[in-house]
Amino acid sequence: QKEVEQDPGPLSVPEGAIVSLNCTYSNSAFQYFMWYRQYSRKGPELLMYTYSSGNKEDGRFTAQVDKSSKYISLFIRDSQPSDSATYLCATQGGSEKLVFGKGTKLTVNP
Amino acid sequence: KAGVTQTPRYLIKTRGQQVTLSCSPISGHRSVSWYQQTPGQGLQFLFEYFSETQRNKGNFPGRFSGRQFSNSRSEMNVSTLELGDSALYLCASSSGTGDQPQHFGDGTRLSIL
Repeated sequence: QKEVEQDPGPLSVPEGAIVSLNCTYSNSAFQYFMWYRQYSRKGPELLMYTYSSGNKEDGRFTAQVDKSSKYISLFIRDSQPSDSATYLCATQGGSEKLVFGKGTKLTVNP
Repeated sequence: KAGVTQTPRYLIKTRGQQVTLSCSPISGHRSVSWYQQTPGQGLQFLFEYFSETQRNKGNFPGRFSGRQFSNSRSEMNVSTLELGDSALYLCASSSGTGDQPQHFGDGTRLSIL
C-alpha cells in the first residue's frame, strides 16, 4: 500500500464549478498536510499547509483534513481556467521528508 | 523575497557521464531538500541537508549524492548516469524545524541520451 494515494484523474470541469480533490494516507505519524499546485514546466507552488483536523480556508480554496479516517481534501470554489494545473497532496511526519501523492491533473474549461 | 533558484534549467547528458545541479534556497532558510519527479513514480524524496549535514536520505542508490555549503546553497551530483535518471529534479527549502512548509524551485530537467 502506498503511503499517500491520490486519484490521478484527469479531471475536466466547466468554469465556475466546485472542484473536489482527495487523497488518503496510511501512516498515522503524518502530522502536516499540504496541497501544491504545479503548472507545466514549473515547480510545485504551495497552496495550503495545515496541521490539525478540520478546515482551512484561503480565498477560493479550502483544505480539509480528517485524521481519524486519514483523508485530506482540497475544494476549489468558482473554478477558473487559470486553475488548470496538476494538484499534488503531500504529508510530512516531523522530518523534512515530504511524501507526495501522484497528482491530479485538472482542466477548467471556459 | 527571492524564491528558490535552481540552475541550470535544462541539461542533456549521455549515459555514463556525471552531472551537478545547483540550488540556492530562500534567504534565511537552512534546510534544502531534493526530489526527483518522473511521470511513473511522481515526486520522490532524495535527501535533505541542514547546516551542511545530510539529515535525511531517501531510497536512492549511492550514485546520487549532495552537499550543502555554509551559505545554505546546495548541490546535487549524479554519477554514472543511466537512462532512467531522466527526470525533473526539484529543490525545496524551508526553515528546517519540521513544522514549516517547503517551497520549491522550478527544477532542472535532466535528459539522458
